[in-house]
Amino acid sequence: KAGVTQTPRYLIKTRGQQVTLSCSPISGHRSVSWYQQTPGQGLQFLFEYFSETQRNKGNFPGRFSGRQFSNSRSEMNVSTLELGDSALYLCASSPDGGANVLTFGAGSRLTVL
Amino acid sequence: KQEVTQIPAALSVPEGENLVLNCSFTDSAIYNLQWFRQDPGKGLTSLLLIQSSQREQTSGRLNASLDKSSGRSTLYIAASQPGDSATYLCATYGIYNQGGKLIFGQGTELSVKP
Repeated sequence: KAGVTQTPRYLIKTRGQQVTLSCSPISGHRSVSWYQQTPGQGLQFLFEYFSETQRNKGNFPGRFSGRQFSNSRSEMNVSTLELGDSALYLCASSPDGGANVLTFGAGSRLTVL
Repeated sequence: KQEVTQIPAALSVPEGENLVLNCSFTDSAIYNLQWFRQDPGKGLTSLLLIQSSQREQTSGRLNASLDKSSGRSTLYIAASQPGDSATYLCATYGIYNQGGKLIFGQGTELSVKP
């Protein structure tokens, strides 16, 4: 059974650019959550999608957005990148986003110069 | 607002020692608490999930306990090995959660010396 796949694994951008990250959940999982991990703030919840709808959202500016497709794959987008957006972005999937074990991907490491 | 704290932030022990990692949380309105392991630059691996109605869960050399009333959980690692070196994170899933949101502690970085 394939795990959660995130692409790209590493990327470097410059301030002001935008970036799109992709997450393919475990087959059959309909919920995808996104987290940002930084040394200073730790792991923080960005948003969660279930059946193509955003059900939950963390406290991040509107520059951070996401979407989910009919096959449950999800993308997150960050526009007008800032230096502080440098982080490891993790996605996790679960069958329904309820109180289940979340399975995390390996993450996408974003560096903003 | 839920706050999750892990103490100590870092821990170094010789191989073979038994050790305890601590996790405390401020809001007892949780469905469950999960312990994860993270290797440097990698994603998270789920170790144990304790439902709010449970007191403990065991998997191999790992045992996690939960005392919801006092807002505490511990992860006990028996006979530690160098391969246990990693960052250990605890996270709560609140009962008012609309979906997928875990609140994480800052983690305990464990180093097991051969």
